[in-house]
Amino acid sequence: DIQMTQSPSSLSASVGDRVTITCRASQSISSYLNWYQQKPGKAPKLLIYAASSLQSGVPSRFSGSGSGTDFTLTISSLQPEDFATYYCQQSYSKMYTFGQGTKLEIK
Amino acid sequence: EVQLVESGGGLVQPGGSLRLSCAASGFTFSSYWMSWVRQAPGKGLEWVANIKQDGSEKYYVDSVKGRFTISRDNAKNSLYLQMNSLRAEDTAVYYCARDEVAAAGICMDVWGQGTTVTVSS
Repeated sequence: DIQMTQSPSSLSASVGDRVTITCRASQSISSYLNWYQQKPGKAPKLLIYAASSLQSGVPSRFSGSGSGTDFTLTISSLQPEDFATYYCQQSYSKMYTFGQGTKLEIK
Repeated sequence: EVQLVESGGGLVQPGGSLRLSCAASGFTFSSYWMSWVRQAPGKGLEWVANIKQDGSEKYYVDSVKGRFTISRDNAKNSLYLQMNSLRAEDTAVYYCARDEVAAAGICMDVWGQGTTVTVSS
């Protein structure tokens, strides 16, 4: 199975900050990497697909990069509504796996 | 409106069974792979299973193989998850999600609101 490891597990930041979350795969997954945002009590929401493509309707302050084993999600200027938990997910294997999540909290 | 609505969750004793359903609307259900994803209380997301458009291919996370069965009825625009031999560690919110073909791989672009399964005596 492909293991996905996110860092950090939690992060405190302020409105307006630039934030980067990292996701590492246990083997090369090309660009088969997606990012999701989840708020408490809600279903996950797709933000970025294929490592760097912005899902329709998602603000342009979100961006993704990387290929192979190392990926990043960047939020260029944090807004109050961005405080949530973020997950990466690989689809290189038909048996998908998620990272353990990164909880983004207000400093 | 594209929508997925799960149902069938509840309280069940260890060793018991439960069948979850997911009703799809607003898109051509038969054209998409579909997935089940779960989230245990206070934990992260765990992909559980997925199924091809015609049901000919199915994949499962190791922890549910032999106990859970994913299926679909394209005529009824519905996805199912039959869960047998349930364990306490199966307690979670279960989401159904649509698998969309992306530029690279698959992404889950539409999600239901989730249904809660609690396994406890």
